[in-house]
Amino acid sequence: DVKVTQSSRYLVKRTGEKVFLECVQDMDHENMFWYRQDPGLGLRLIYFSYDVKMKEKGDIPEGYSVSREKKERFSLILESASTNQTSMYLCASSVVGPLNTEAFFGQGTRLTVV
Amino acid sequence: RKEVEQDPGPFNVPEGATVAFNCTYSNSASQSFFWYRQDCRKEPKLLMSVYSSGNEDGRFTAQLNRASQYISLLIRDSKLSDSATYLCVVPRGFKTIFGAGTRLFVKA
Repeated sequence: DVKVTQSSRYLVKRTGEKVFLECVQDMDHENMFWYRQDPGLGLRLIYFSYDVKMKEKGDIPEGYSVSREKKERFSLILESASTNQTSMYLCASSVVGPLNTEAFFGQGTRLTVV
Repeated sequence: RKEVEQDPGPFNVPEGATVAFNCTYSNSASQSFFWYRQDCRKEPKLLMSVYSSGNEDGRFTAQLNRASQYISLLIRDSKLSDSATYLCVVPRGFKTIFGAGTRLFVKA
């Protein structure tokens, strides 16, 4: 059974704090993604990684950074949390193939910045 | 123009009804398309893939119209359990672009 696990379901942080969101997948997938989901805006890609130590900016990378030191783990870092980063954060992974393949998601982390 | 656009709905339909959603995309080079389903407070999960003109799986039919650059999802004989948000997905290179989703409520 495929699995993508995010470290927290709910998180409350203070403005200015450094926040780490962790994601682990057990499927040996090359691709990993971080999205945020907000009402009316859908899922927006923050960063993705197609290999260890490789990362690419998505559509809304400002205020975020990522780390992929091991194939199975992809971390999202909020350098200095702000209230406009309150959102649902979803991690996903997929395998590289000739056609884009199914993405498997973690259960999501609902982050509130106060 | 957004890369992937969906009518947000909500679509309110009675049990047993047939309902269809459309999704338009802007990248004419896209080769594969997906519909995901997301239940309230849950993660998205793959519903159907569309690589050619269409795909059918039970009560669900996905069709692709390349000339007009849209994909559609048809649900026949709607069930209460079909109530969810349906996300249209169009990959772009390594990126996966999601539409904002269409909300469906099926009522008894």
